[in-house]
Amino acid sequence: EPEVTQTPSHQVTQMGQEVILRCVPISNHLYFYWYRQILGQKVEFLVSFYNNEISEKSEIFDDQFSVERPDGSNFTLKIRSTKLEDSAMYFCASSESGQRGGYTFGSGTRLTVV
Amino acid sequence: AQTVTQSQPEMSVQEAETVTLSCTYDTSESDYYLFWYKQPPSRQMILVIRQEAYKQQNATENRFSVNFQKAAKSFSLKISDSQLGDAAMYFCAYRSWFLAGSRLTFGEGTQLTVNP
Repeated sequence: EPEVTQTPSHQVTQMGQEVILRCVPISNHLYFYWYRQILGQKVEFLVSFYNNEISEKSEIFDDQFSVERPDGSNFTLKIRSTKLEDSAMYFCASSESGQRGGYTFGSGTRLTVV
Repeated sequence: AQTVTQSQPEMSVQEAETVTLSCTYDTSESDYYLFWYKQPPSRQMILVIRQEAYKQQNATENRFSVNFQKAAKSFSLKISDSQLGDAAMYFCAYRSWFLAGSRLTFGEGTQLTVNP
């Protein structure tokens, strides 16, 4: 069964450093998403991406965040200057069509900012 | 904006018994999707079951079924013949039908413990 692949599985970074989280969505999917989950809290939407541009973003997704699809397979989330409160699990997801039900989630990247 | 509420932070069930997890939501839309996701300790998000709001018939997937009450905006998950592997955090989620690529809105989650 096709999978969404995320790397790395765990990243530790110093406060103020830039991090890039990487995702390979399912190949025939058209919509891509990033969500985050702070430990013990619910899953929160960050951004959706379609046709090489952001289609929707949440209030969490401020100027320190950016997304990119640098080639035909990867989808990245960049955090420019990490803060302690950015420590969370980050999930990438993709869907075949924006209006056909649920997504497939990746297994997540655990980001720890120290 | 849509909201999803799970009022049971924790639930427990004996192995082989049945448990029901509750979820309510608020929306002004007439068509939408509802989902239950399972998150085991590995923290991966696994789709358990989904329901299209226009369908009156409740969705079922093996031991998992839902009770969808559209007028009451209620969407509960029933797990029959509970197994140890069902122990996980369960999230209810909502998605708009009309907006392509729309976000999932999650509830706070219910931690399910299965006792042997």
